[in-house]
Amino acid sequence: AQKVTQAQTEISVVEKEDVTLDCVYETRDTTYYLFWYKQPPSGELVFLIRRNSFDEQNEISGRYSWNFQKSTSSFNFTITASQVVDSAVYFCALSEWDSGGYQKVTFGTGTKLQVIP
Amino acid sequence: SQTIHQWPATLVQPVGSPLSLECTVEGTSNPNLYWYRQAAGRGLQLLFYSVGIGQISSEVPQNLSASRPQDRQFILSSKKLLLSDSGFYLCAWSRGGGETDTQYFGPGTRLTVL
Repeated sequence: AQKVTQAQTEISVVEKEDVTLDCVYETRDTTYYLFWYKQPPSGELVFLIRRNSFDEQNEISGRYSWNFQKSTSSFNFTITASQVVDSAVYFCALSEWDSGGYQKVTFGTGTKLQVIP
Repeated sequence: SQTIHQWPATLVQPVGSPLSLECTVEGTSNPNLYWYRQAAGRGLQLLFYSVGIGQISSEVPQNLSASRPQDRQFILSSKKLLLSDSGFYLCAWSRGGGETDTQYFGPGTRLTVL
């Protein structure tokens, strides 16, 4: 069975600081997908990024960047120059195919980020 | 574009009462549909998923059930609620067809069982 570990339960940073959210995964699949979602206080999960196991290029989107390293089974998320609006719970997730041939996603337990003004 | 709706947004129910939460998706056909529960301060637990009308897979044995009476409608039900059923219920959809795809979530229903 696959597993996603987000060891950081809560992180507090002062506005404009950079912060990295860690994600470590375990899977036996050779083809898999990794995701990051943001859950603001309103509760809805907002999709941020999807990465497949064959694409190890890092990605940058504005203040967000993602570092995927297969060698260490990690998919870390960095927010540069954090803002108060970044305060949320962030979930890392991993997809798998079950015995019936259907995709299921395993979520980490989330990291709560608080950005202090 | 696709949108996903859930209702009600919040619900307070007594123990032993029935439950019906509804989720509908617009702008796509034959989606995969999912029900998740998030207990307070915890991660997401997959409850049910469906790849088509009438096709439901259960992940966690419990007093909840799910049904998919129409292609883009997914319903979560219970005959008798327990205190432990309290939580935040999220519906999600992804493209069907057997390929890996991103799951997109609805706004959620916050259920409190008293």
